[in-house]
Amino acid sequence: AQSVAQPEDQVNVAEGNPLTVKCTYSVSGNPYLFWYVQYPNRGLQFLLKYITGDNLVKGSYGFEAEFNKSQTSFHLKKPSALVSDSALYFCALMAAGNKLTFGGGTRVLVKP
Amino acid sequence: NAGVTQTPKFQVLKTGQSMTLQCAQDMNHNSMYWYRQDPGMGLRLIYYSASEGTTDKGEVPNGYNVSRLNKREFSLRLESAAPSQTSVYFCASSGLTGSGNTIYFGEGSWLTVV
Repeated sequence: AQSVAQPEDQVNVAEGNPLTVKCTYSVSGNPYLFWYVQYPNRGLQFLLKYITGDNLVKGSYGFEAEFNKSQTSFHLKKPSALVSDSALYFCALMAAGNKLTFGGGTRVLVKP
Repeated sequence: NAGVTQTPKFQVLKTGQSMTLQCAQDMNHNSMYWYRQDPGMGLRLIYYSASEGTTDKGEVPNGYNVSRLNKREFSLRLESAAPSQTSVYFCASSGLTGSGNTIYFGEGSWLTVV
């Protein structure tokens, strides 16, 4: 069985500081990993994905994520957070078939 | 550029009532999905349709039925609503063949069952 864990329910960071949102996964076989962001009362917006190749993936709005196979992690990062980055972030895993398994989500609060 | 469109946006039902959530995508995608979102649980797959004419159960199918009407449309029906089905429902789609395709989501339908 596959699973995704986001160990932090909430991350607080000051504007301008680096932002990291953690994600670990469990799956047999090669994973496809995704990050989505959800703003209040909106749908999920795709940020980036890892399929294969370079372990550092760059995505939308200045976000990037690092795939680490030995640690089974796919942490989302942004070098300098903005207040507008405050939202709910989801890590997701796609294994068998084109279906996503989601983590529980991490709420990010960026304070001015 | 509409993407994935779902209706209604908000709905309040009484226990035992039925309703259908409608979803349409204009990206010529083969696969479509229905997820529900509950606090602290992320999104869980209810049903999906890999292609027109096929549907399969996901993680939490009980109490729901689906219809893949054509390539564009995928509806979700609650035959007899229960308070446990109070949730936010998201329709999604992904395109073409192969693995690792990005899944695109609609804006959500907020359903309350009283």
